[in-house]
Amino acid sequence: SQELEQSPQSLIVQEGKNLTINCTSSKTLYGLYWYKQKYGEGLIFLMMLQKGGEEKSHEKITAKLDEKKQQSSLHITASQPSHAGIYLCGAWSSYKLIFGSGTRLLVRP
Amino acid sequence: DVKVTQSSRYLVKRTGEKVFLECVQDMDHENMFWYRQDPGLGLRLIYFSYDVKMKEKGDIPEGYSVSREKKERFSLILESASTNQTSMYLCASSLGGSGNQPQHFGDGTRLSIL
Repeated sequence: SQELEQSPQSLIVQEGKNLTINCTSSKTLYGLYWYKQKYGEGLIFLMMLQKGGEEKSHEKITAKLDEKKQQSSLHITASQPSHAGIYLCGAWSSYKLIFGSGTRLLVRP
Repeated sequence: DVKVTQSSRYLVKRTGEKVFLECVQDMDHENMFWYRQDPGLGLRLIYFSYDVKMKEKGDIPEGYSVSREKKERFSLILESASTNQTSMYLCASSLGGSGNQPQHFGDGTRLSIL
C-alpha cells in the first residue's frame, strides 16, 4: 500500500526565516494535497497539485510537485507566527485519501 | 467557501452509551467521510459515502456505523461507546466524479468516553 513520509517531523524557526517541508511517496503520485491543521482543530485545505512540475502559491506558501522523485515540497517564505501549526500532505491511494504523519511547525516571534 | 459543520467541538460520554456525531456540508458535495485522528496513528478512515443512502467501510469501521439519509448530512454512530473510542473525529466532504477533488474538513469533535 502507498505511504507518505513527511520530513522533518517538527520544525522551529525564527520569525522571518524561510523553511521547506517535504512529502515523499512510496508510489507514483497522481496528485498531491497540502493541508494545515491548528492544534485541536480541523484541516484547512491549502492547495492541490496535479501535474509533475506544477507549482502553486497561496500568499507566502509555495508548493511544488516532482513526479519523478515522487515528492512534493512546501516552502514558506518569511515565516510568521500565523504559519504555526501542523502541515499534512495527502494523496489518493485506491479509493481513499491517505495522509502523511504531519510536520509540526513552530515560529518564534 | 465550503462549509463543513460538525455538531459539537467537545463531547463527553459514558461507556456503553450510544453516541451520535453529526456532520453537515453546504456545498452539495456527493462524497462525505468520517476519520478519527490519534497521536502517532494519524488520520484513519472510518466510513465514507458516495451518495445518499450509500455507505462504504473504511479502514477501521468496527464499533461504528453511519447514516446518510440526506445529501448534506452524514452521521457517525458509536453503537456502544468504549474508552478506546476516545479520539478526535473529523468529517470531510468533496465533490463527486474523479478522485482528484480535495476534501474539505470540519473543525472536528473531540470525544471523550469515560
